[in-house]
Amino acid sequence: EAGVTQFPSHSVIEKGQTVTLRCDPISGHDNLYWYRRVMGKEIKFLLHFVKESKQDESGMPNNRFLAERTGGTYSTLKVQPAELEDSGVYFCASSLGVDRAYEQYFGPGTRLTVT
Amino acid sequence: AQSVAQPEDQVNVAEGNPLTVKCTYSVSGNPYLFWYVQYPNRGLQFLLKYITGDNLVKGSYGFEAEFNKSQTSFHLKKPSALVSDSALYFCAVTWAGGSYIPTFGRGTSLIVHP
Repeated sequence: EAGVTQFPSHSVIEKGQTVTLRCDPISGHDNLYWYRRVMGKEIKFLLHFVKESKQDESGMPNNRFLAERTGGTYSTLKVQPAELEDSGVYFCASSLGVDRAYEQYFGPGTRLTVT
Repeated sequence: AQSVAQPEDQVNVAEGNPLTVKCTYSVSGNPYLFWYVQYPNRGLQFLLKYITGDNLVKGSYGFEAEFNKSQTSFHLKKPSALVSDSALYFCAVTWAGGSYIPTFGRGTSLIVHP
């Protein structure tokens, strides 16, 4: 069974540019989560999808971040325009059901560097 | 609200010696506790979890953790460290009746010296 995959693994962009991160969850997992770790800090929750619906987006930093999950399969996280403080590692995770949300499987992460 | 503290940014241990990575937590209800490991250039990997039952939980790669309710701790341990255990370790907590979204600690870098 394939795990959670994320693309790209690394991205370096200039301030003001746009970047789109992609996450493919484990097949059959309705729940998809985005997290971010800024260097040296804790891993922070960004948002949670149940199928194509946003269940909880309380962790999204601001309106420069837009997450979508069309069709309830893969998800994208767009940052537009990127700022220096957006640099970090963005993790995606998926789980089978809401009652199993604590059993999350994480992807390898996308390391975003904004210069 | 829930929170996790990993008081050590870095733990150094000699290969073959026992290791402990500390974690304390705060939650409103019964905790669900987790340890994850991130090897260099890899994603987060699940190590072990405590949901209910025995306070001593055994996980992958010979790691174990002990749930201590009175001290609100969930320290990660291994009897004999390997150089290949060198990685970044994250403790996480959520709680029964909560949103099930885990709150993570800042991570502890474990360095095992040959």
